[in-house]
Parts: sequence; structure tokens; C-alpha cells
Amino acid sequence: AQSVAQPEDQVNVAEGNPLTVKCTYSVSGNPYLFWYVQYPNRGLQFLLKYITGDNLVKGSYGFEAEFNKSQTSFHLKKPSALVSDSALYFCAVREEGNNRLAFGKGNQVVVIP
Amino acid sequence: SAVISQKPSRDICQRGTSLTIQCQVDSQVTMMFWYRQQPGQSLTLIATANQGSEATYESGFVIDKFPISRPNLTFSTLTVSNMSPEDSSIYLCSVSSGTGPYNEQFFGPGTRLTVL
Repeated sequence: AQSVAQPEDQVNVAEGNPLTVKCTYSVSGNPYLFWYVQYPNRGLQFLLKYITGDNLVKGSYGFEAEFNKSQTSFHLKKPSALVSDSALYFCAVREEGNNRLAFGKGNQVVVIP
Repeated sequence: SAVISQKPSRDICQRGTSLTIQCQVDSQVTMMFWYRQQPGQSLTLIATANQGSEATYESGFVIDKFPISRPNLTFSTLTVSNMSPEDSSIYLCSVSSGTGPYNEQFFGPGTRLTVL
């Protein structure tokens, strides 16, 4: 069965500092990994995905994520956080042969001015 | 990416009543889904809305409680029946950009439901 773990509840970071949001996954077979962001009172917005190939994928708003097969991780990163990055971030996985997305519990990111 | 709208955006309902939520997509899509996001929690898949046939429900969700219609490839409705306060949640419509497992999903803005 596919599943995602986001171990931290909240991530606090000072504006301008690097931001990392952690995600580990469990699947049978090849994983397809996604990151979404949810701003207050808004739906989820797609940030980026990993399918195959280069382990470092770049997405919207300056975010990137690194796929690490040996550690079964897909951490989201941003070199320099902005106050406007404060939001709820969800990691999701889908394994081959499954049309359902499994979401993590979400991480609240707070960027401190 | 698909543009998805939902109606209503929010509602406050009385216990025992029903509410129908509409989802409209600006293009034809094969895969449509309905999710629930309870306060402070992650997304839970309710069902996959199938065009021209009965929806496929996830464990813990039944058609009598959450009837779904999908008359065409751009529209779906979710009804929350005989509501109780435990049904207070955000309900999200979602579509996939394709049929493969590598396709991302796009989400509507959600319907915030409060049941008194």
C-alpha cells in the first residue's frame, strides 16, 4: 500500500533562510511523487512532481525537490524563504497501477519576517 | 492546467438536511475525484466520479451518504446527505491531467461546510 509521512507538524524559518519540508514515502514499485501548497481559504496548488530521470526537480515559485530512492525521501526545498511562502504544504505519492493519490498529513510553514 | 470551480464556496446547514456541491471544469477530463479535508487534517479521498456509471467509493464512504453524479466529462456533483456536525469539512473536487499515474491532479477552491 502507498503512504506518505511528513514527520514535522510545523516548520518555522526566518525570511531569507533556506526552507526544507521533509517527506518520506512507501510504495510497491516505482513512485510518482508530488508536492502541493494550500494557502489560507484556497484549494491546493500543484508545485512540482517527480516521475523519472533527474533526481532534482524544479517547480513553481522557486521551489525544488530532491528524490532520494535509497532513503525513500522527496524533500521540498527553497533556497531563500519569503513571508508569502507561509502556507500548508502537502506531499503526495502514487504508485504505478494505482490512480489514487495518497497525501501526507501536511506541514504548516511559517516564515518569520 | 484545468480551471475548476465549485458551488457553493461555503454553507452553514442544519443537522439532518442535505447539501449538493457542484464541480465544473473548463475542459473535458477523464478522472474526477471528490475529497474531504476535515479541520486541521489531510485530504481523504471519498470517491472517484465515473462518467456514465456509478462512482467508485473508498473504504468508509457509501453511496447513500455521499451520492455522486457525473453526467458528462466537465461536471460532477457530490451530495452530503442527512448531515451531522461530523460532516463539517472542506469538500474538494479534483481532476487529473491525464489517466497515467504520473499525471498531477488539480483542485477546485473547495466548499467549506459547517453543520449545526
